[in-house]
Amino acid sequence: QVQLVQSGAEVKKPGSSVKVSCKASGGTFSSYAISWVRQAPGQGLEWMGGIIPIFGTANYAQKFQGRVTITADESTSTAYMELSSLRSEDTAVYYCARDLIEPSGLPVFAFDIWGQGTMVTVSS
Amino acid sequence: DIQMTQSPSSLSASVGDRVTITCQASQDISNYLNWYQQKPGKAPKLLIYDASNLETGVPSRFSGSGSGTDFTFTISSLQPEDIATYYCQQYDNLPPWATFGPGTKVDIK
Repeated sequence: QVQLVQSGAEVKKPGSSVKVSCKASGGTFSSYAISWVRQAPGQGLEWMGGIIPIFGTANYAQKFQGRVTITADESTSTAYMELSSLRSEDTAVYYCARDLIEPSGLPVFAFDIWGQGTMVTVSS
Repeated sequence: DIQMTQSPSSLSASVGDRVTITCQASQDISNYLNWYQQKPGKAPKLLIYDASNLETGVPSRFSGSGSGTDFTFTISSLQPEDIATYYCQQYDNLPPWATFGPGTKVDIK
């Protein structure tokens, strides 16, 4: 059974960057996609972007274009999400989630396995 | 951009009640609609995919229907463990992207 284990909580200064990791165990990392979803305190879910490791291509929500970079290392079955130019509004729990891939190579966008979440606090 | 609305934003019902949540898309999204349950302090859980397909292991009291712009999520008999916030999620692949609805918080009366 696939499990996603994320890195620990972070406290960052405004203007800095944060890089969150998501390590997969079990299953074949290259056979699925990974998306990143965040949730600000008391708020809803927000898709940030995703990557299909076997292709190495990432797609981003328009809101985060230019500020987020999603990468994956197949050798360690780990996906990463780096968010730059942090501001207080980026304070949130960041989740990685597994997504299957259709035979066409496109993501299914049904997030069936989630990491435990990483709290990122942006504060001066 | 496609906008998703959910109603109601919150509801209170008794154990055993039938609960219905609606999700509306600002334009036709075919059946590209999933439903998630999120309990406080936990990651979301996939319940329904492609509008009406029950995820493996999810109790049959949960169901979904709809296509195009209007979708419905139903709990046929509310149980105490169903207390959670429920989110719809739309997706597309041209280009690949996803959007969540604002959520519906379900409480026991």
